[in-house]
Amino acid sequence: SQQGEEDPQALSIQEGENATMNCSYKTSINNLQWYRQNSGRGLVHLILIRSNEREKHSGRLRVTLDTSKKSSSLLITASRAADTASYFCATDALTGGGADGLTFGKGTHLIIQP
Amino acid sequence: GAGVSQSPRYKVAKRGQDVALRCDPISGHVSLFWYQQALGQGPEFLTYFQNEAQLDKSGLPSDRFFAERPEGSVSTLKIQRTQQEDSAVYLCASGLAGAYNEQFFGPGTRLTVL
Repeated sequence: SQQGEEDPQALSIQEGENATMNCSYKTSINNLQWYRQNSGRGLVHLILIRSNEREKHSGRLRVTLDTSKKSSSLLITASRAADTASYFCATDALTGGGADGLTFGKGTHLIIQP
Repeated sequence: GAGVSQSPRYKVAKRGQDVALRCDPISGHVSLFWYQQALGQGPEFLTYFQNEAQLDKSGLPSDRFFAERPEGSVSTLKIQRTQQEDSAVYLCASGLAGAYNEQFFGPGTRLTVL
């Protein structure tokens, strides 16, 4: 079963605009990670935010985490055509002891129109 | 340096055949994960190794699925008597330790069962 739910399922914007994706999850977590997947390829790690952090930046990426609402958001600023991909949030369970795999959402498919 | 590699990249099997999927993790990575990704879905956890020890196999969907990592490096995921519902992309990921940290994904093996 998949814990997370990304919202929206699909998003199409113009190049240069900002893209915001949201993720909700169900159980208490250690960390939340965001991954990108280009069509037919493996996943690429974007950013990890720990449960005691509220916001993190990496280049054009900004991630927020609200553990009280069990939600996170990923903001991509000044989008480029190369950002077209599916984006997944993934969590590791607090009780897993590190021996569990990540639990992924269904993803947001982002299309950047040139 | 070399990333995670998987072979074959594509596999077509007739229903009832056995298949073996190989994963070569990044050298020195202790953790190795297998995930199954159905079309349009996020990856779902199958099993986790720490070195040669299989610490969690709770995600394996049936006893037809078997994974091993005998020397703590290369891993093989074996599916016996394949069924059509086994058709998916099988992703391997490696990392430094547990699910707490960034995972590095291979390109996946796309299995189609006819």
